[in-house]
Amino acid sequence: TQLLEQSPQFLSIQEGENLTVYCNSSSVFSSLQWYRQEPGEGPVLLVTVVTGGEVKKLKRLTFQFGDARKDSSLHITAAQPGDTGLYLCAGEGENTGNQFYFGTGTSLTVIP
Amino acid sequence: DAGVIQSPRHEVTEMGQEVTLRCKPISGHDYLFWYRQTMMRGLELLIYFNNNVPIDDSGMPEDRFSAKMPNASFSTLKIQPSEPRDSAVYFCASSLLLGLHTGELFFGEGSRLTVL
Repeated sequence: TQLLEQSPQFLSIQEGENLTVYCNSSSVFSSLQWYRQEPGEGPVLLVTVVTGGEVKKLKRLTFQFGDARKDSSLHITAAQPGDTGLYLCAGEGENTGNQFYFGTGTSLTVIP
Repeated sequence: DAGVIQSPRHEVTEMGQEVTLRCKPISGHDYLFWYRQTMMRGLELLIYFNNNVPIDDSGMPEDRFSAKMPNASFSTLKIQPSEPRDSAVYFCASSLLLGLHTGELFFGEGSRLTVL
């Protein structure tokens, strides 16, 4: 098992604030994905990053893959109540086949 | 298009009973994953299949758990006998291999298992 630690574990902010969620590991990943999960549903993919140092933007969300492909961050600008949910990072093992290991998750609540 | 379909959505059973969870992956996907989610341990990979063949079952907790994929459109996860500590939400996900990388994981809505 390749451990992916996310921080913070819980985050409660006011609408309009910015936030950053971190995903860290001592392992190298061939790719990394971010998912969002809402209560009673399965996780849904937000983005996939493959190249070290890669930055991807999805509207108000900015994702970055670390240069060494061991860590990643998710930055949300001007958070909205609709951003509320559980954010999960998932790393594809470099030498462990095509399987994804999920991080511990960050539960975000955006208060109107 | 239909997504990943899991059944049952909810299962409440008594300790010692057999539990069977079912999954129909998205047609054409060649990977199928079974995950378990709890508050304490998050989302854990139990087992995954490639083209119906089990590739890695190192995440299966113990011999009480077994999984099969008899064909490309159906998989089962069985717990026998069940124990209270097996209570969790069990997710099935399917994906395609895109080049060298596993593509997007498409998750079902999960099966919430409660063992009394």
